[in-house]
Amino acid sequence: QSALTQPASVSGSPGQSITISCSGTSSDVGTYKSVSWYQHHPGKAPKLLLYDVSSRPSGVSDRFSGSKSGNTASLTISGLQPEDEADYYCCSLGSTNSPLFGGGTKLTVL
Amino acid sequence: QAQLVESGGGLVKPGGSLRLSCAASGFAFSQYFMSWIRQAPGKGLEWISYISHDGGHTKYADSVKGRFTISRDSAKNSLFLQMNFLRDEDTAVYYCASIGISGITEFDQWGQGTLVTVSS
Repeated sequence: QSALTQPASVSGSPGQSITISCSGTSSDVGTYKSVSWYQHHPGKAPKLLLYDVSSRPSGVSDRFSGSKSGNTASLTISGLQPEDEADYYCCSLGSTNSPLFGGGTKLTVL
Repeated sequence: QAQLVESGGGLVKPGGSLRLSCAASGFAFSQYFMSWIRQAPGKGLEWISYISHDGGHTKYADSVKGRFTISRDSAKNSLFLQMNFLRDEDTAVYYCASIGISGITEFDQWGQGTLVTVSS
C-alpha cells in the first residue's frame, strides 16, 4: 500500500482559513471512517487533532475541523494563528488493515 | 497526565541490533493498544507496529516484518521494540504512541521520540 497523498506545502495569513487534502483510494480513505489528523512541530511529539474523520479529542481547538468525500479527506484550519505553523499528517486504515500515513504537509503562516 | 518517554536509541552498524523502550505513566497502560511509529530524516511518519493491550496480538509493517519485535510489560508500564538486522534505511526518530478507543489509526498520546542511526 502506498502512502496517502498530501500537498507538500500550503500557506496562509493569520486569520485566514486553509484546507489540507489527503487523497487515497477506495481501499483506504474511501472505505473507512478511520481517518485521523496530526500536527507535528519538528522536535516535539506529534499531536492528535482529529479522529474518525471529524471528531476532536478533548482540548483541541474547534478551529480544526475535518471532512471526507469519496477517496479524499480534508483538514480545515480556520482563523490561522502563528503557532499553527507545523507539519500536518493524515492517517487512514489501509488495504492491509494497517495504519497508513500521508506524506505530510508543511503549513507556513505568512 | 499521560506521558510516554522513549529511550534506547543510538548509533549502530548495519546488521546490528538495538532495543528501544517506552515508559508510560499517567494512564491505564495495561488497557491500551500501543504502537511504534518512525520518521526518517526529511521524510514523513511511518507506522511500523502495534500490540494489543494484553500482548496477544501484534502486527508489523512489511518494511520491518521478521526483523523487529514489539512487546510489552504491563507490570512495569513499558513498551519495547527489539530491532535486529538493522539497515541504513531504518535510521529514524522512533516514537511510541498509545492507541485510542476508536481504533488503530487514533494515536492519542505520543512520546518525544528517540533517534536511531544505522551507519558504518
